[in-house]
Amino acid sequence: GNSVTQMEGPVTLSEEAFLTINCTYTATGYPSLFWYVQYPGEGLQLLLKATKADDKGSNKGFEATYRKETTSFHLEKGSVQVSDSAVYFCALSTGFQKLVFGTGTRLLVSP
Amino acid sequence: DARVTQTPRHKVTEMGQEVTMRCQPILGHNTVFWYRQTMMQGLELLAYFRNRAPLDDSGMPKDRFSAEMPDATLATLKIQPSEPRDSAVYFCASGPDGPLLEQYFGPGTRLTVT
Repeated sequence: GNSVTQMEGPVTLSEEAFLTINCTYTATGYPSLFWYVQYPGEGLQLLLKATKADDKGSNKGFEATYRKETTSFHLEKGSVQVSDSAVYFCALSTGFQKLVFGTGTRLLVSP
Repeated sequence: DARVTQTPRHKVTEMGQEVTMRCQPILGHNTVFWYRQTMMQGLELLAYFRNRAPLDDSGMPKDRFSAEMPDATLATLKIQPSEPRDSAVYFCASGPDGPLLEQYFGPGTRLTVT
């Protein structure tokens, strides 16, 4: 079946550090891939997406590239801010708008 | 700025009581999802609807949970009777039809069953 595996958290960084959160997937067919972010006390928000191999999704300084050969969709940001502290979820969908989420990775950024 | 709204935001109830959670999807969205989030299980899909028809409710305990869409502007999730293990944050999400598969989440209902 379809599944998403994310790195365990929390990820603890200082402000302006480089961020990578790993995500790999298993899927039948050709999935679309997503990163969602959840700030404390809020629902999930779509951060970025990619719908086919080699696509790069980007938003708010975050980027992720759809790598079919390694079945990965790692999230990166060149310089994190304290306001980026949140839980990040990788997700995939193979159709019918049903998303499969990873377990989430908590990011803590200190000043 | 269109948003998914959920009521109530917080609910504390005693074991055995009925709980009803409501969701207003974004106008024009024809898919609606109910999720449950706990520390132990993470984010679980309970049910989802397309054009008000239930497509998949396999994640939902059938004996006590029920989900409906009385009309296009209202989705409900009911628990009867509630149990302490139902304590969680329940999210509703809606999405437009089409291949982009985006979902827009509400702020959630935090349920505590004592």
